[in-house]
Amino acid sequence: AAGVIQSPRHLIKEKRETATLKCYPIPRHDTVYWYQQGPGQDPQFLISFYEKMQSDKGSIPDRFSAQQFSDYHSELNMSSLELGDSALYFCASSLGASGRTDTQYFGPGTRLTVL
Amino acid sequence: AQKVTQAQTEISVVEKEDVTLDCVYETRDTTYYLFWYKQPPSGELVFLIRRNSFDEQNEISGRYSWNFQKSTSSFNFTITASQVVDSAVYFCALTPTTDSWGKLQFGAGTQVVVTP
Repeated sequence: AAGVIQSPRHLIKEKRETATLKCYPIPRHDTVYWYQQGPGQDPQFLISFYEKMQSDKGSIPDRFSAQQFSDYHSELNMSSLELGDSALYFCASSLGASGRTDTQYFGPGTRLTVL
Repeated sequence: AQKVTQAQTEISVVEKEDVTLDCVYETRDTTYYLFWYKQPPSGELVFLIRRNSFDEQNEISGRYSWNFQKSTSSFNFTITASQVVDSAVYFCALTPTTDSWGKLQFGAGTQVVVTP
Protein backbone atom coordinates (compact mmCIF):
# COMPACT_ATOMS: atom_id res chain seq x y z
CA ALA A 1 0.00 0.00 0.00
CA ALA A 2 1.14 3.52 -0.75
CA GLY A 3 2.57 5.43 2.17
CA VAL A 4 3.29 9.04 2.99
CA ILE A 5 6.26 10.34 1.04
CA GLN A 6 8.58 13.00 2.37
CA SER A 7 11.43 14.72 0.60
CA PRO A 8 14.21 15.23 1.09
CA ARG A 9 15.04 12.55 3.63
CA HIS A 10 18.10 14.43 4.84
CA LEU A 11 18.91 18.12 4.65
CA ILE A 12 21.91 20.05 5.87
CA LYS A 13 21.70 23.83 6.06
CA GLU A 14 23.67 26.69 7.53
CA LYS A 15 22.30 29.09 10.11
CA ARG A 16 20.06 31.80 8.65
CA GLU A 17 19.40 29.78 5.50
CA THR A 18 15.98 28.63 4.34
CA ALA A 19 14.64 25.12 3.87
CA THR A 20 11.60 23.62 2.20
CA LEU A 21 10.26 20.22 3.21
CA LYS A 22 7.74 18.41 1.06
CA CYS A 23 5.06 15.90 1.94
CA TYR A 24 2.93 13.76 -0.34
CA PRO A 25 0.03 12.18 1.57
CA ILE A 26 -1.44 8.75 1.05
CA PRO A 27 -3.75 8.84 -2.00
CA ARG A 28 -7.26 10.06 -1.10
CA HIS A 29 -6.10 11.45 2.23
CA ASP A 30 -7.15 15.08 2.54
CA THR A 31 -5.61 16.04 5.86
CA VAL A 32 -1.93 16.65 6.47
CA TYR A 33 -0.12 17.22 9.77
CA TRP A 34 3.43 18.36 10.48
CA TYR A 35 5.35 17.37 13.60
CA GLN A 36 8.82 18.19 14.87
CA GLN A 37 10.82 15.69 16.90
CA GLY A 38 13.98 16.88 18.65
CA PRO A 39 16.67 14.42 19.72
CA GLY A 40 15.38 12.10 22.44
CA GLN A 41 12.00 13.83 22.50
CA ASP A 42 8.46 13.00 21.48
CA PRO A 43 6.97 14.48 18.32
CA GLN A 44 5.46 17.94 18.77
CA PHE A 45 2.57 19.11 16.60
CA LEU A 46 3.31 22.09 14.38
CA ILE A 47 0.42 22.64 11.99
CA SER A 48 -2.30 20.82 10.04
CA PHE A 49 -4.33 21.32 6.89
CA TYR A 50 -7.69 19.95 5.84
CA GLU A 51 -8.84 20.41 2.26
CA LYS A 52 -6.09 22.97 1.64
CA MET A 53 -7.11 25.14 4.59
CA GLN A 54 -5.15 25.44 7.80
CA SER A 55 -7.11 23.49 10.39
CA ASP A 56 -4.98 23.76 13.51
CA LYS A 57 -1.78 25.32 14.67
CA GLY A 58 0.59 24.27 17.39
CA SER A 59 3.89 25.67 18.59
CA ILE A 60 5.15 26.57 15.15
CA PRO A 61 7.66 29.43 15.04
CA ASP A 62 6.72 32.51 13.05
CA ARG A 63 9.75 31.78 10.87
CA PHE A 64 7.97 28.69 9.60
CA SER A 65 5.06 28.61 7.20
CA ALA A 66 3.23 25.85 5.46
CA GLN A 67 0.55 25.25 2.91
CA GLN A 68 -1.38 22.47 1.26
CA PHE A 69 -1.77 22.50 -2.49
CA SER A 70 -4.60 21.46 -4.80
CA ASP A 71 -3.12 17.97 -5.20
CA TYR A 72 -3.07 17.73 -1.36
CA HIS A 73 0.67 17.69 -1.06
CA SER A 74 2.07 20.04 1.55
CA GLU A 75 5.24 22.06 1.99
CA LEU A 76 6.80 23.34 5.17
CA ASN A 77 8.94 26.43 4.60
CA MET A 78 11.51 27.32 7.23
CA SER A 79 13.43 30.58 7.14
CA SER A 80 16.25 32.11 9.19
CA LEU A 81 17.21 28.66 10.38
CA GLU A 82 18.62 28.33 13.87
CA LEU A 83 20.69 25.57 15.43
CA GLY A 84 17.67 24.60 17.51
CA ASP A 85 15.70 23.79 14.38
CA SER A 86 17.80 20.67 13.91
CA ALA A 87 15.28 17.86 14.29
CA LEU A 88 13.34 15.12 12.55
CA TYR A 89 10.31 16.57 10.81
CA PHE A 90 7.40 14.25 10.22
CA CYS A 91 4.46 14.62 7.96
CA ALA A 92 1.36 12.52 8.61
CA SER A 93 -1.83 12.15 6.64
CA SER A 94 -5.35 11.00 7.38
CA LEU A 95 -8.73 10.85 5.77
CA GLY A 96 -10.36 13.81 7.47
CA ALA A 97 -13.67 13.70 5.68
CA SER A 98 -14.87 10.80 7.77
CA GLY A 99 -14.06 12.56 10.98
CA ARG A 100 -11.25 14.48 12.50
CA THR A 101 -9.87 11.53 14.37
CA ASP A 102 -9.00 9.15 11.62
CA THR A 103 -5.69 7.44 12.15
CA GLN A 104 -2.65 9.47 11.18
CA TYR A 105 -0.09 7.62 9.12
CA PHE A 106 3.39 9.03 9.25
CA GLY A 107 6.01 9.47 6.59
CA PRO A 108 9.63 8.45 7.11
CA GLY A 109 10.60 11.94 8.20
CA THR A 110 13.09 14.55 7.03
CA ARG A 111 16.16 14.89 9.17
CA LEU A 112 17.22 18.54 9.18
CA THR A 113 20.64 19.48 10.45
CA VAL A 114 21.49 23.16 10.88
CA LEU A 115 25.19 23.95 11.13
CA ALA B 1 -5.27 20.52 28.46
CA GLN B 2 -4.18 17.02 27.65
CA LYS B 3 -1.29 15.05 29.01
CA VAL B 4 0.11 11.61 28.32
CA THR B 5 2.52 10.05 30.79
CA GLN B 6 4.77 7.11 30.08
CA ALA B 7 6.63 6.63 33.31
CA GLN B 8 8.95 3.92 32.02
CA THR B 9 11.87 5.44 30.14
CA GLU B 10 13.50 2.14 29.21
CA ILE B 11 12.66 -1.54 29.53
CA SER B 12 15.19 -4.25 28.79
CA VAL B 13 14.14 -7.85 28.28
CA VAL B 14 15.51 -11.05 26.90
CA GLU B 15 13.92 -12.46 23.77
CA LYS B 16 10.66 -14.37 24.35
CA GLU B 17 9.85 -12.46 27.51
CA ASP B 18 6.64 -10.42 27.62
CA VAL B 19 6.83 -6.61 27.80
CA THR B 20 4.12 -4.35 29.18
CA LEU B 21 4.25 -0.64 28.51
CA ASP B 22 2.32 1.72 30.76
CA CYS B 23 0.44 4.78 29.60
CA VAL B 24 -1.63 7.14 31.74
CA TYR B 25 -3.47 10.06 30.23
CA GLU B 26 -5.32 13.18 31.29
CA THR B 27 -8.01 14.87 29.28
CA ARG B 28 -11.13 16.91 29.89
CA ASP B 29 -12.69 15.59 26.72
CA THR B 30 -15.42 13.02 27.11
CA THR B 31 -14.63 11.38 23.81
CA TYR B 32 -11.15 10.78 22.55
CA TYR B 33 -8.88 8.33 20.79
CA LEU B 34 -5.80 6.63 22.12
CA PHE B 35 -2.97 5.28 19.99
CA TRP B 36 0.26 3.38 20.20
CA TYR B 37 3.04 4.12 17.72
CA LYS B 38 6.39 2.39 17.33
CA GLN B 39 9.61 4.15 16.33
CA PRO B 40 12.37 1.68 15.43
CA PRO B 41 16.02 2.77 15.19
CA SER B 42 15.49 3.64 11.53
CA GLY B 43 13.34 6.56 12.74
CA GLU B 44 9.95 6.16 11.11
CA LEU B 45 6.76 6.25 13.18
CA VAL B 46 4.64 3.16 12.70
CA PHE B 47 0.98 3.04 13.70
CA LEU B 48 0.16 0.02 15.88
CA ILE B 49 -3.28 0.34 17.44
CA ARG B 50 -6.14 2.78 18.02
CA ARG B 51 -8.87 2.68 20.63
CA ASN B 52 -11.75 5.08 21.15
CA SER B 53 -12.97 6.12 24.56
CA PHE B 54 -16.31 4.40 24.13
CA ASP B 55 -14.82 0.99 23.66
CA GLU B 56 -13.12 -0.53 26.66
CA GLN B 57 -13.01 -4.00 25.21
CA ASN B 58 -9.48 -5.26 25.33
CA GLU B 59 -8.15 -7.13 22.37
CA ILE B 60 -5.30 -9.18 21.14
CA SER B 61 -3.78 -8.79 17.72
CA GLY B 62 -1.03 -11.28 17.06
CA ARG B 63 1.65 -10.69 19.68
CA TYR B 64 0.16 -7.33 20.67
CA SER B 65 -2.55 -6.78 23.25
CA TRP B 66 -3.83 -3.76 25.08
CA ASN B 67 -5.63 -3.01 28.29
CA PHE B 68 -7.77 0.13 28.26
CA GLN B 69 -9.26 1.15 31.60
CA LYS B 70 -11.17 4.42 31.48
CA SER B 71 -11.70 4.42 35.24
CA THR B 72 -7.96 4.72 35.83
CA SER B 73 -7.18 6.61 32.58
CA SER B 74 -4.72 3.95 31.54
CA PHE B 75 -3.98 2.41 28.17
CA ASN B 76 -1.32 -0.23 28.61
CA PHE B 77 0.25 -2.19 25.79
CA THR B 78 1.78 -5.66 25.92
CA ILE B 79 4.11 -7.42 23.53
CA THR B 80 4.02 -11.16 24.05
CA ALA B 81 7.05 -13.32 23.38
CA SER B 82 9.24 -10.36 22.45
CA GLN B 83 11.63 -10.51 19.53
CA VAL B 84 14.76 -8.52 18.74
CA VAL B 85 12.84 -6.69 16.00
CA ASP B 86 10.56 -5.28 18.70
CA SER B 87 13.43 -3.11 19.91
CA ALA B 88 12.16 0.43 19.43
CA VAL B 89 10.73 3.46 21.18
CA TYR B 90 7.01 3.09 21.78
CA PHE B 91 4.82 6.16 22.03
CA CYS B 92 1.37 6.40 23.51
CA ALA B 93 -0.71 9.23 22.07
CA LEU B 94 -4.07 10.90 22.60
CA THR B 95 -6.35 13.02 20.48
CA PRO B 96 -9.81 14.38 21.26
CA THR B 97 -12.69 13.75 18.91
CA THR B 98 -13.73 17.39 19.13
CA ASP B 99 -11.59 20.45 18.45
CA SER B 100 -7.90 20.27 17.73
CA TRP B 101 -8.54 18.60 14.38
CA GLY B 102 -6.98 15.40 15.58
CA LYS B 103 -3.55 16.67 16.56
CA LEU B 104 -1.77 14.01 18.56
CA GLN B 105 -0.43 14.57 22.05
CA PHE B 106 2.39 12.10 22.57
CA GLY B 107 3.89 10.71 25.73
CA ALA B 108 7.66 10.85 26.23
CA GLY B 109 8.08 7.34 24.88
CA THR B 110 9.44 4.10 26.31
CA GLN B 111 12.61 2.58 24.88
CA VAL B 112 12.29 -1.19 24.61
CA VAL B 113 15.49 -3.17 24.26
CA VAL B 114 15.16 -6.85 23.42
CA THR B 115 18.37 -8.87 23.58
CA PRO B 116 18.85 -12.34 22.12
